[in-house]
Amino acid sequence: ETGVTQSPTHLIKTRGQQVTLRCSSQSGHNTVSWYQQALGQGPQFIFQYYREEENGRGNFPPRFSGLQFPNYSSELNVNALELDDSALYLCASSLLPDTTQYFGPGTRLTVL
Amino acid sequence: ELKVEQNPLFLSMQEGKNYTIYCNYSTTSDRLYWYRQDPGKSLESLFVLLSNGAVKQEGRLMASLDTKARLSTLHITAAVHDLSATYFCAAPSGSRLTFGEGTQLTVNP
Repeated sequence: ETGVTQSPTHLIKTRGQQVTLRCSSQSGHNTVSWYQQALGQGPQFIFQYYREEENGRGNFPPRFSGLQFPNYSSELNVNALELDDSALYLCASSLLPDTTQYFGPGTRLTVL
Repeated sequence: ELKVEQNPLFLSMQEGKNYTIYCNYSTTSDRLYWYRQDPGKSLESLFVLLSNGAVKQEGRLMASLDTKARLSTLHITAAVHDLSATYFCAAPSGSRLTFGEGTQLTVNP
């Protein structure tokens, strides 16, 4: 167990809807990174938050947005869901932006 | 853009045998991570290799890093069924980790 928690565990949405995924970081960690993992592939970096500011973003469209709160928990929001957004969404926390990232259990999103 | 390649992508081996998974990355990086993922589960951190020539061992797994060759290896010794999983290497670039495609390891009795 890494101490990183995510909610919900599973989620089913339809195309065009919006979704919010949540992540609580490990105690003492002020950095949260989000990844999308499609079936059979490696995780793809979405963005990272450090001390409530975005600290790097991958090749994802603006409908993927995020937030980090003063307690360092984080949200990932996805608007206008598409079928290809179906994936496992992983949150990882780290002590600093460039230290080892510890992953949460993930949220499985299915878009119908 | 940093690219990370693993091979093989699929590995089926017998219990008791040895094998090596290779991870090549395209640009300079001073660190390399190895993770394990069981089906339907999240990623478990196995090793972080912090410098050229670094070698780390945990049980039947040993990882090494050659930053000059941009190569890391994960060596499996005397495989057991419990090692069946998908193994990912990942290299950092700024704030992001770039992952390989993963090596799906199946250890057969």
